[in-house]
Amino acid sequence: DTGVSQDPRHKITKRGQNVTFRCDPISEHNRLYWYRQTLGQGPEFLTYFQNEAQLEKSRLLSDRFSAERPKGSFSTLEIQRTEQGDSAMYLCASSLTEDTQYFGPGTRLTVL
Amino acid sequence: QKEVEQDPGPLSVPEGAIVSLNCTYSNSAFQYFMWYRQYSRKGPELLMYTYSSGNKEDGRFTAQVDKSSKYISLFIRDSQPSDSATYLCAIRRTYKYIFGTGTRLKVLA
Repeated sequence: DTGVSQDPRHKITKRGQNVTFRCDPISEHNRLYWYRQTLGQGPEFLTYFQNEAQLEKSRLLSDRFSAERPKGSFSTLEIQRTEQGDSAMYLCASSLTEDTQYFGPGTRLTVL
Repeated sequence: QKEVEQDPGPLSVPEGAIVSLNCTYSNSAFQYFMWYRQYSRKGPELLMYTYSSGNKEDGRFTAQVDKSSKYISLFIRDSQPSDSATYLCAIRRTYKYIFGTGTRLKVLA
């Protein structure tokens, strides 16, 4: 499969715990995006990487959220001290050009 | 005012009907417009993108952009039950893609 992959697909955690998600983009895609999607809403932009550089970060992203893309390939999104409001689908997308994005299947996070 | 507005539906149509899905946007500077389809519990799948006013056709799908009205549309001809999904419009602003809330479509067999 040459699409965007995300791991894990589902994560259940207790409030206050830290979680980390991984995204593997399509090979040679230098652009990588993270989004959050809640029920009945469209994806909401979180952050954008071009190669290893994080070029944009949403103001909605609190200090508890951090994302990395250390070698310009895979990326991780960490949420510290999770809250119930963090429960959502976390989507990763990658692209080679600015015109199109290809999404992964998402990681569904449930915070109890 | 949201940058992209989309009626959430749900929209139910009989099989074979022509479906019209619409979004409005607020900033006339936006230039790139996309439509995504999202099945339940899956990531969005790119259907079409366009950056100019007018129509773009791909099989049963036609994307239409009216920049003077800041209005974008997706038409689905000969709709099939397999088209039942949520359809998301999106615009690109610098590095960001801004999505509408999505319209839930159900095509009845």
